[in-house]
Amino acid sequence: GENVEQHPSTLSVQEGDSAVIKCTYSDSASNYFPWYKQELGKRPQLIIDIRSNVGEKKDQRIAVTLNKTAKHFSLHITETQPEDSAVYFCAATVFHDMRFGAGTRLTVKP
Amino acid sequence: DAGVIQSPRHEVTEMGQEVTLRCKPISGHNSLFWYRQTMMRGLELLIYFNNNVPIDDSGMPEDRFSAKMPNASFSTLKIQPSEPRDSAVYFCASSLGEGRAFFGQGTRLTVV
Repeated sequence: GENVEQHPSTLSVQEGDSAVIKCTYSDSASNYFPWYKQELGKRPQLIIDIRSNVGEKKDQRIAVTLNKTAKHFSLHITETQPEDSAVYFCAATVFHDMRFGAGTRLTVKP
Repeated sequence: DAGVIQSPRHEVTEMGQEVTLRCKPISGHNSLFWYRQTMMRGLELLIYFNNNVPIDDSGMPEDRFSAKMPNASFSTLKIQPSEPRDSAVYFCASSLGEGRAFFGQGTRLTVV
């Protein structure tokens, strides 16, 4: 099945700085790549997603890029705020099979 | 829409007991997923259904785990007998086709 690797496992940035989280996937048939944010004790919440026919997508301070040739995709958060602190998960989907990366704990220091 | 609804929110049970977790997907969604989350293993896909049919259960850890989806609005995940290593948060999620998946609030299971 699909194998998703996510880096880094922890990331600490100063408020206002940018944060980048990277993921790679193994199955070239993967065609849908969502990103989830999970706050402590809560459910994962979808924050942005991208399909394989698109190279980049942006929503306010967050953006995702996809390189299908290299089989990697990234999450970019600009102008980080303390409320961005959470665990972020990437995922890759083949048909209905959605597999997650191990997660990145982002801490934004005020 | 109330979103994906899971019950119970918390379950504490003794080793050897049967545990049943329940999930009601978002109305109209035709894919349903069961995930298990632990610190050590992260978010693991246990099984997913499409149009009520189990498509891939290769993530189910052992024969002690079973899942059913008798209709489009209800699914169960059963563990029998339960063991302490089954302690985790179990999430159910649903989606429409290969679209966005939405998670329930999860069931925190503790097996003592």
